[in-house]
Amino acid sequence: ILNVEQSPQSLHVQEGDSTNFTCSFPSSNFYALHWYRWETAKSPEALFVMTLNGDEKKKGRISATLNTKEGYSYLYIKGSQPEDSATYLCASSFTSGTYKYIFGTGTRLKVLA
Amino acid sequence: EPEVTQTPSHQVTQMGQEVILRCVPISNHLYFYWYRQILGQKVEFLVSFYNNEISEKSEIFDDQFSVERPDGSNFTLKIRSTKLEDSAMYFCASSELVPNEQYFGPGTRLTVT
Repeated sequence: ILNVEQSPQSLHVQEGDSTNFTCSFPSSNFYALHWYRWETAKSPEALFVMTLNGDEKKKGRISATLNTKEGYSYLYIKGSQPEDSATYLCASSFTSGTYKYIFGTGTRLKVLA
Repeated sequence: EPEVTQTPSHQVTQMGQEVILRCVPISNHLYFYWYRQILGQKVEFLVSFYNNEISEKSEIFDDQFSVERPDGSNFTLKIRSTKLEDSAMYFCASSELVPNEQYFGPGTRLTVT
């Protein structure tokens, strides 16, 4: 059974703090790791997709890294702002079937002004 | 920017009733997916659809569920006889090809009473 885990489940930080979350996934048959930012009543917004071991991606104050050998990815937010408050979802796809996504539980981030 | 749309945003139905959830995928996409998230649980894969047939389905996707692409633009999920445990947020997604990135709609919240 393919299982993707995220930690922590929720997080409160002060504005200006930097923070990071973890996503762990099975290494075998791994194809890609996706990070999404999701606000209620909106479509999950794609942040990053990473496939190669050692991949690092950056988008403004948000960055992500990937370690496919040990099966984890980190998402970093530098200088958190209240507008960063959202649920951050990671999903893995694997080289089997139709590359469906297996999601983690999400990390709910609240940035306090 | 093209986006996946879903209607309705919220559907309330009585146990035993049939519901149809509608999605309009991005126009040049060929692969379509349904996922759902029961409150407090992970987003989980239901079904993928390509070339007018189901490509893959999860064990959740039993005979009560069906999918259809009735015309060139809509993609629907039908639940024949809803149960209380079908209450969830249902997400539609589409991708141009496999294993390209999937784009998600904003979801339909289904409440079965």
